[in-house]
Amino acid sequence: DTEVTQTPKHLVMGMTNKKSLKCEQHMGHRAMYWYKQKAKKPPELMFVYSYEKLSINESVPSRFSPECPNSSLLNLHLHALQPEDSALYLCASSQVPSGSLDTQYFGPGTRLTVL
Amino acid sequence: GENVEQHPSTLSVQEGDSAVIKCTYSDSASNYFPWYKQELGKGPQLIIDIRSNVGEKKDQRIAVTLNKTAKHFSLHITETQPEDSAVYFCAAPYNFNKFYFGSGTKLNVKP
Repeated sequence: DTEVTQTPKHLVMGMTNKKSLKCEQHMGHRAMYWYKQKAKKPPELMFVYSYEKLSINESVPSRFSPECPNSSLLNLHLHALQPEDSALYLCASSQVPSGSLDTQYFGPGTRLTVL
Repeated sequence: GENVEQHPSTLSVQEGDSAVIKCTYSDSASNYFPWYKQELGKGPQLIIDIRSNVGEKKDQRIAVTLNKTAKHFSLHITETQPEDSAVYFCAAPYNFNKFYFGSGTKLNVKP
């Protein structure tokens, strides 16, 4: 099974709201990723967790707050977002890189609209 | 950092024809190259990948070739079908801990 699940599928929020995106995988992967994808563009890396610890933050604004409560779950907490943050947010997982990157498996994404 | 260029940006073929998408990369240390297919409203799905110790890999109608000297790799789809219509992304690693994606190729297979 190479499935990564994400909830919700769609999310509409106001600029003053607080919401969370959730991601889950049961492949035993210990690396998990958040990507942002704008329309007609490739995915852009936001965060990487390795063994439940944040290992990469691609200079993402603090209104995005990631959390990895255990090896199967990854959350992205959203607060005071801007309309330009509207995008498809993708979660991915892989084996922990060890001298060479491994295959990343993506979830279906959460389509976020900020009003 | 890594620079991945992907061409063409759009590709239209007749059903049954072949399609080829090319990517070039800049980091000579890169050693793993996946290809993803993304259908409308869905996340990217891995369709094939290749490591630097081989020059070609096939999986039914899909193949990937790698030229490490020239630093480019290509996706080949034979006997295209309408369900192959999607956006295809190549990717190359940087610093062994992140991928850079190509800009994407929108493939349209006309019945």
